[in-house]
This record gives sequence, C-alpha cells and structure tokens, in this order.
Amino acid sequence: DTGVSQDPRHKITKRGQNVTFRCDPISEHNRLYWYRQTLGQGPEFLTYFQNEAQLEKSRLLSDRFSAERPKGSFSTLEIQRTEQGDSAMYLCASSLDGGISPLHFGNGTRLTVT
Amino acid sequence: GQQVMQIPQYQHVQEGEDFTTYCNSSTTLSNIQWYKQRPGGHPVFLIQLVKSGEVKKQKRLTFQFGEAKKNSSLHITATQTTDVGTYFCASNAGGTSYGKLTFGQGTILTVHP
Repeated sequence: DTGVSQDPRHKITKRGQNVTFRCDPISEHNRLYWYRQTLGQGPEFLTYFQNEAQLEKSRLLSDRFSAERPKGSFSTLEIQRTEQGDSAMYLCASSLDGGISPLHFGNGTRLTVT
Repeated sequence: GQQVMQIPQYQHVQEGEDFTTYCNSSTTLSNIQWYKQRPGGHPVFLIQLVKSGEVKKQKRLTFQFGEAKKNSSLHITATQTTDVGTYFCASNAGGTSYGKLTFGQGTILTVHP
C-alpha cells in the first residue's frame, strides 16, 4: 500500500491558463474523490467516481472544472481558464467500495493563480 | 443540503489539559467520521461512528455519537504536543449519496508545552 499519490505538489499559474492535476489512488480502492480545501476551512466536496463512472458532482463545480477516470484507476482534474478564486489545495482521496468507507487522502496539489 | 457545524473553531490548551470538540447537525446523520489534519498535512481518518449513543475509545481519545444521531464529540484526555492539528468531523447523506462526505469547518488545536 503506497497510499494516494498526487502530482504535482505545487502549481503556480497565471489567470486564464488551464491546469491539470493527476491522482493515483490506492490500487484496490474502487472509489476516488476530489476535494478542495482553502485556508481555515474543511475539505469541500467536488466530485467522486466509482470505478470509471462519475457518480456525483458538486453544484459548486463550474463548467470550467472537469474530472475523468478513464480506466477506473488514476484520475485527472482539469481547470480551464483559471481564476484567482481557484487558488486552493486540491485533495484527492480513495476508498473501498461498499457503503460507508473511510477516505484515504493524498498530500494534495496546491494551486496558486496569479 | 446537509451541514455539520463544529465548535469551537480554535482551542488553545496547556499540555496535560483536556480538549473537546463538538459536531452538530440539524438533521439526523447516518454516520459520523473524524479526521485529523496536522499542520501542512492531509486529513487522516481516525474513527467512524454509526450507532445511536455509540462511544469508542482510542487511547486518550474518546468519540461519542449522540442518541439522536445529530451530534458527536471528540474528547482528548491529557493533551500532548503531538495532538496539535485540526480535527474535522464529517458525514454523508447516506442512501445513494455515500460518496459525498461533508466536512465540518474543523477545530484547530494548539498545545502549549
């Protein structure tokens, strides 16, 4: 068990640019989640997958955000036309299937939009 | 939608003092999970409570789920400097929405040696 891996750890981009983050979950975990966390706040749900199917997406997620998990393994989160308000820590987590399961988080990708 | 509120937002204690954080909801929760996030780190799962009135202990940590399943607490006895971090409660809506875990704002614990 190597844990949840996220890449890159840090990303600095200029407003209006597109960015893409990658998450590799724990290998036997069917579920993969994306959360966003800003300073002093709890993680905010963005979306989650069960295998390759995206089952739920937050209403807070604008059309500029898209996530994929094409083969049910790793996932990517893309933000188009970044805005300064997108600056945050983007956390990926994975869990086992079967109802209520604890989330295992990665170290996150810290995005700074200048 | 479902929300969980945590109090207090901050807690400063001297090493050896006790600490408690509370998590409250206006709706009945199907379950409650607790996570700890060290400064600069990511949330780490501590425990999950499912049953009404459930109490679980992990060494100096005691977790409770209210009888009405609308509140929960985490109590740390005799805090140590290693307890420093932010403690989050989280819950999901159950039913078909098990994936959407909603986190509280967290309680930031500082322990002075």
